[in-house]
Amino acid sequence: EAGVVQSPRYKIIEKKQPVAFWCNPISGHNTLYWYLQNLGQGPELLIRYENEEAVDDSQLPKDRFSAERLKGVDSTLKIQPAELGDSAVYLCASSLGSLKEAFFGQGTRLTVV
Amino acid sequence: KNQVEQSPQSLIILEGKNCTLQCNYTVSPFSNLRWYKQDTGRGPVSLTIMTFSENTKSNGRYTATLDADTKQSSLHITASQLSDSASYICVVSATDSWGKLQFGAGTQVVVTP
Repeated sequence: EAGVVQSPRYKIIEKKQPVAFWCNPISGHNTLYWYLQNLGQGPELLIRYENEEAVDDSQLPKDRFSAERLKGVDSTLKIQPAELGDSAVYLCASSLGSLKEAFFGQGTRLTVV
Repeated sequence: KNQVEQSPQSLIILEGKNCTLQCNYTVSPFSNLRWYKQDTGRGPVSLTIMTFSENTKSNGRYTATLDADTKQSSLHITASQLSDSASYICVVSATDSWGKLQFGAGTQVVVTP
């Protein structure tokens, strides 16, 4: 069975440009997470979905970040406009429930120049 | 202040040797503790998950221990191999946080020939 799939793997953009990341969770997983991971640090939660509802987006910088999970399956995370400090790895994870094991995708490495 | 502290920040060990990584947490009320392995450029992969009643859990050459009274956990790697070179992340969740995972910063392990 395929794991969590993210695309693209790498993205380089100029500052002030928009960027979007896509995540396809494991089939049947109703919980989906987006994390930001800076070099040498653990992941930090941006947003968590239970099905199509965002139940925890307290750490999402809503002035420039947005996310959606239409139909409770795939999800997209968007940044507009991107800033130099947004350079990081963006990880998507999914689980069968909020207290079940989370499976991570390989991440999207964003570089803003 | 991070609720999950890991030590050491990094370590170098010779192939075939053993090592132990530490994790102290303040997350409460405790639900479970997980150890993840993250290879460079990849998403984290779960090694073990332990609940309050579990003191130890093994996954091949990886053995995790948990002392819920002192809020400490360790991950022991036996007979290290070059493929063990990775970041090891301790993750703790609370029963009242609806699945919010608290991540440590990770311990970077380098196994040398």
